[in-house]
Amino acid sequence: AQSVAQPEDQVNVAEGNPLTVKCTYSVSGNPYLFWYVQYPNRGLQFLLKYITGDNLVKGSYGFEAEFNKSQTSFHLKKPSALVSDSALYFCAVRRGGYSTLTFGKGTMLLVSP
Amino acid sequence: DAGVIQSPRHEVTEMGQEVTLRCKPISGHNSLFWYRQTMMRGLELLIYFNNNVPIDDSGMPEDRFSAKMPNASFSTLKIQPSEPRDSAVYFCASSPLGQAGNQPQHFGDGTRLSIL
Repeated sequence: AQSVAQPEDQVNVAEGNPLTVKCTYSVSGNPYLFWYVQYPNRGLQFLLKYITGDNLVKGSYGFEAEFNKSQTSFHLKKPSALVSDSALYFCAVRRGGYSTLTFGKGTMLLVSP
Repeated sequence: DAGVIQSPRHEVTEMGQEVTLRCKPISGHNSLFWYRQTMMRGLELLIYFNNNVPIDDSGMPEDRFSAKMPNASFSTLKIQPSEPRDSAVYFCASSPLGQAGNQPQHFGDGTRLSIL
């Protein structure tokens, strides 16, 4: 079985400050990890993925995520938050080889001006 | 390129009525997924297809739900008869059938379904 935990329902940060949205996972074998963002009344949009290689992956809109195998974490980060980053963020995992994607419950990011 | 297209965007109907949700995946994508999103349960996978063939429908909640993919460019999710607890946002997503499943899924903007 595979699972994802996003321990924070909501993260609040001021514009210009760095942001972190946390994600931990549980999966047998090598994990394939994904971050998605959802804006109001829209579908999920792919941000970035970790499959193999460098532990720090860069994605869309200035976001990056760090894969930590020992801590089974894949936290989403951005050096300087924008008000327009306010949205719902989902972490997802699947084990290596084809299998279905398991999503976390989502973390609402609110960036204040 | 056009993304995943879902219709209708909103549907309001009375309990007991048949509901049909439609999805056009991105051209060239071999895998198609139907999800349901609610506040209580989050995002749930209902069923997915590879090359138009249903692979896993274990997430389909009841026999009232059925899904078809008659060709590579069209899929439907049908609820008959509908119940108020079916109210949710239903998403369709597609992806290439990439090597070892490392391809991201691309989501449509969903159908917001309300059953009165």
